[in-house]
Amino acid sequence: GENVEQHPSTLSVQEGDSAVIKCTYSDSASNYFPWYKQELGKGPQLIIDIRSNVGEKKDQRIAVTLNKTAKHFSLHITETQPEDSAVYFCAAKKVAGNQFYFGTGTSLTVIP
Amino acid sequence: GAGVSQSPSNKVTEKGKDVELRCDPISGHTALYWYRQSLGQGLEFLIYFQGNSAPDKSGLPSDRFSAERTGGSVSTLTIQRTQQEDSAVYLCASSLQRGEETQYFGPGTRLLVL
Repeated sequence: GENVEQHPSTLSVQEGDSAVIKCTYSDSASNYFPWYKQELGKGPQLIIDIRSNVGEKKDQRIAVTLNKTAKHFSLHITETQPEDSAVYFCAAKKVAGNQFYFGTGTSLTVIP
Repeated sequence: GAGVSQSPSNKVTEKGKDVELRCDPISGHTALYWYRQSLGQGLEFLIYFQGNSAPDKSGLPSDRFSAERTGGSVSTLTIQRTQQEDSAVYLCASSLQRGEETQYFGPGTRLLVL
């Protein structure tokens, strides 16, 4: 099966600074990599995703990079704001498969 | 529009009792997932339904866990003879169809087994 590792488990940054969260995966057949944001008491919400035919994707202050050779992908948040504070999860999936394999989450705190 | 809803939002039960958790997916979504999220952990896949196909039950941790999806819409996750280690948040997600990876999650049911 797939094994997804996520680092760091906690991250504190000053407002306006950048935050980077990294994930590695083990199954080279995985080709879809979403990132979710989970606020307290709520379910995870998809914030950005990337497929294996793309190396980078950006959406305003959020970007994701993928290195297929090294089997790792990263979430980058620039100009962080207090409302970015949440738990972030990465995941990996094979398009033909049913299962999403999740990382253990990163608790991000943005200090005003 | 309406998102994924789950009920109850919180459930406290005694060890050994059975519980039923309900998920109402987004209308028209044919794919439905159940996950378990233990404190400080990632999401653990439990079961996947796609249309009228046989469900993928490969993530169910024991035979005390079962799920059904009636009429291709509402799903119920049942845990029989609950144990304290079953305490967790149970999340449901739906997506438009197989191959459409965007999952929409419900708010979860927080289960506490005393």
